[in-house]
Amino acid sequence: GEDVEQSLFLSVREGDSSVINCTYTDSSSTYLYWYKQEPGAGLQLLTYIFSNMDMKQDQRLTVLLNKKDKHLSLRIADTQTGDSAIYFCAESSGYSTLTFGKGTMLLVSP
Amino acid sequence: GAGVSQSPSNKVTEKGKDVELRCDPISGHTALYWYRQSLGQGLEFLIYFQGNSAPDKSGLPSDRFSAERTGGSVSTLTIQRTQQEDSAVYLCASRQGLRTYNEQFFGPGTRLTVL
Repeated sequence: GEDVEQSLFLSVREGDSSVINCTYTDSSSTYLYWYKQEPGAGLQLLTYIFSNMDMKQDQRLTVLLNKKDKHLSLRIADTQTGDSAIYFCAESSGYSTLTFGKGTMLLVSP
Repeated sequence: GAGVSQSPSNKVTEKGKDVELRCDPISGHTALYWYRQSLGQGLEFLIYFQGNSAPDKSGLPSDRFSAERTGGSVSTLTIQRTQQEDSAVYLCASRQGLRTYNEQFFGPGTRLTVL
């Protein structure tokens, strides 16, 4: 079945860039997503990318997609302490379900 | 407008008891999802509703788990004869059915603890 893998933990200093990586196995994925979960809260969609795109930029967020290698990354520029959260990569191949990775905990220290 | 709401926010129960978890999706959202989030397991899909029917319930872990949705709105996830391994955060999400991409809006979750 489909699988989404991501590293479990990333620690950066405030002001640095953060890069969170994700790999997926489903070659029929049409959309790939990054969700953010703050402590005690549900998931919130940060950004998404259509599978025929290589890159998408949205303010401090840059998403890079290498479809050949099935690799997705999320770069957060000028990381702030408020960016500390768990970041989930997810993929979908249609209108139904999302397959999530296990999440990457980002810790931003002052 | 209001987001997805779930109740209760916390539930502590004894092993063997039945529990019901409720989800109120965003008004007008036709698709509704249940997920389970447990430590070390990430986010696990349970069941998906389109309207009142469930085209995909492949993620329900056992026949102790069931879910229904009525009026195309509220959904209830029922766990019968709870076990300690059912302890987790149960998340509900809804989606507006006509969007071409799958943005799901999540509720805050119900934290279930089975003693």
